[in-house]
Amino acid sequence: DVVMTQSPLSLPVTLGQAASISCRSSQSLVYSDGNTYLNWFQQRPGQSPRRLIYKVSNRDSGVPDRFSGSGSGTDFTLKISRVEAEDVGVYYCMQATYWPGTFGQGTKVEIK
Amino acid sequence: EVQLVESGGGLVQPGGSLRLSCAASGFTFSTYWMTWVRQAPGKGLEWVANINQDGSEKYYVDSVKGRFTINRDNAKNSLSLQMNSLRAEDTAVYYCARRNDTDVWGQGTTVTVSS
Repeated sequence: DVVMTQSPLSLPVTLGQAASISCRSSQSLVYSDGNTYLNWFQQRPGQSPRRLIYKVSNRDSGVPDRFSGSGSGTDFTLKISRVEAEDVGVYYCMQATYWPGTFGQGTKVEIK
Repeated sequence: EVQLVESGGGLVQPGGSLRLSCAASGFTFSTYWMTWVRQAPGKGLEWVANINQDGSEKYYVDSVKGRFTINRDNAKNSLSLQMNSLRAEDTAVYYCARRNDTDVWGQGTTVTVSS
């Protein structure tokens, strides 16, 4: 299975400051169709996961533009430009290029 | 509104069985792959199984192969997960999700395997 490694695992941030989460895969996530199926999810406390970003850099409907994704091949990043209180939670990267889909360990974002 | 609602979770003894259901609404269910994902208490997310649009292709993670069965009823817009020979390590919140890249998730149903 493809191993997804996130860093950091804990991210204390100041309101209004930027935050960045890294995700690395054990092999390239480029699929035979040319797409890279790397997604980012947010899980707020007590809630189910919500997809924020698909195929590396595409925001899902309703996701604030302060969230952005980038990267290629095996290295990916989720950035929050200005952290708000509602952004507290655990963030997961997930690859859907290979079966089974696999998730990173999660990065817990909290307010300092 | 696109919605997935899971049900069927509960407390079961090791070796027992449970059937989870997921009711889909707000989209054309029969045109999407569907996926079950689980989350053990305080842990991360694990893909469990998925099924193609007409149910002819089914895939399972190794840890549940031979014990769990994923099915769907497109006439009823319903997804199911039959879980047999349950183990303590199957204790988790089980989510159904749309597509292999899980663009929409349900609220989850909790399965506890304990004597």
